[in-house]
Amino acid sequence: GAGVSQSPSNKVTEKGKDVELRCDPISGHTALYWYRQRLGQGLEFLIYFQGNSAPDKSGLPSDRFSAERTGESVSTLTIQRTQQEDSAVYLCASSSDSSYNEQFFGPGTRLTVL
Amino acid sequence: AQSVAQPEDQVNVAEGNPLTVKCTYSVSGNPYLFWYVQYPNRGLQFLLKYITGDNLVKGSYGFEAEFNKSQTSFHLKKPSALVSDSALYFCAVSSVGDTGRRALTFGSGTRLQVQP
Repeated sequence: GAGVSQSPSNKVTEKGKDVELRCDPISGHTALYWYRQRLGQGLEFLIYFQGNSAPDKSGLPSDRFSAERTGESVSTLTIQRTQQEDSAVYLCASSSDSSYNEQFFGPGTRLTVL
Repeated sequence: AQSVAQPEDQVNVAEGNPLTVKCTYSVSGNPYLFWYVQYPNRGLQFLLKYITGDNLVKGSYGFEAEFNKSQTSFHLKKPSALVSDSALYFCAVSSVGDTGRRALTFGSGTRLQVQP
């Protein structure tokens, strides 16, 4: 694929339900990141995967949030027992293995919790 | 800890005039600096980056940015603004910290509005 893809593009859920968001990074990119962008605000780092290293989960806002990545491929971000404050656009990005390589972002998943 | 500040929530400029979007940063160690642009209903797009070398970096769509180490700034500039440049601009910094994390720290964003 040409770029980072995310699915679904939009997700509306009821408070208390679990949701799963998917990210397909660019092939060959070893680093994968999840960010959250609330309406009118900047990007908030959530979690970072780098190859087979333990992920950096320091940005996850609560234990309701978790993420997995299989090898250097697809990642899923799971939010359990969603709350209204979880409503945001969730962005995934990938980059090759270097801190100075730019990150390529997916189009995001817009999550609305009613 | 690393941080980025974009002091202006919005910048207004007339088409054809030069534009500047300000960014200052704070890191321990050498900074890697980036600018991204977000057009309405679209994902973030990379504009340019500074890693090392010349302080003036040229990027996409005619944008450039100047790295100033003494002022810890990385302002985005363009000599002549276009209406199509209207978008949300994010400055970001990356450095390898104690944890080895390489995720970007983003500023809060500056909305650029170019008037015809």
